[in-house]
Amino acid sequence: GEDVEQSLFLSVREGDSSVINCTYTDSSSTYLYWYKQEPGAGLQLLTYIFSNMDMKQDQRLTVLLNKKDKHLSLRIADTQTGDSAIYFCAAQGRQGGKLIFGQGTELSVKP
Amino acid sequence: EAGVAQSPRYKIIEKRQSVAFWCNPISGHATLYWYQQILGQGPKLLIQFQNNGVVDDSQLPKDRFSAERLKGVDSTLKIQPAKLEDSAVYLCASSRPVTAGEETQYFGPGTRLLVL
Repeated sequence: GEDVEQSLFLSVREGDSSVINCTYTDSSSTYLYWYKQEPGAGLQLLTYIFSNMDMKQDQRLTVLLNKKDKHLSLRIADTQTGDSAIYFCAAQGRQGGKLIFGQGTELSVKP
Repeated sequence: EAGVAQSPRYKIIEKRQSVAFWCNPISGHATLYWYQQILGQGPKLLIQFQNNGVVDDSQLPKDRFSAERLKGVDSTLKIQPAKLEDSAVYLCASSRPVTAGEETQYFGPGTRLLVL
């Protein structure tokens, strides 16, 4: 079945760049999303990319998509302590609808 | 624009009791989703509504879970009777198709359920 995998933890220093990686199995996924979850909160949409794109930039966020390898990454430039959270990658199929989520990457930013 | 509203935010019940969660989607959003997020995992879809019709309930444990979306706006999710393994965060999301195939989902704050 459909599956999305992420590494579980990432630790960086404040001011460095963070790169969170994700792989997915469903080659028919048309949209791929990144959500952020802070403790005790719901999911906040950060950005998304359509499968016919290979890069999207939005302020400090850069999304790279390698469709051949089914690999997605989220780069956060100049990472701040406020970026500490769990980041979820999610894939959406051709017909829209449900999102298949990875298990989340916990980003820890040290001052 | 107001976001997705959910209540209650927290609920503690004993096993075999029943519980209900409420969701009010973003105004104008036709599609509503309920996800279950167990601690340490990503959310998993329980049920998807388009207006007041069910689109996908294949992962909903129908022997104990039920959901409705009367009038195509608010929705309730019920568990009866609850089991220990139902302890999780229940997230509601809504979407309005912007372009064909892309349905960006916006999430509410979630209801945290603890079953003792």
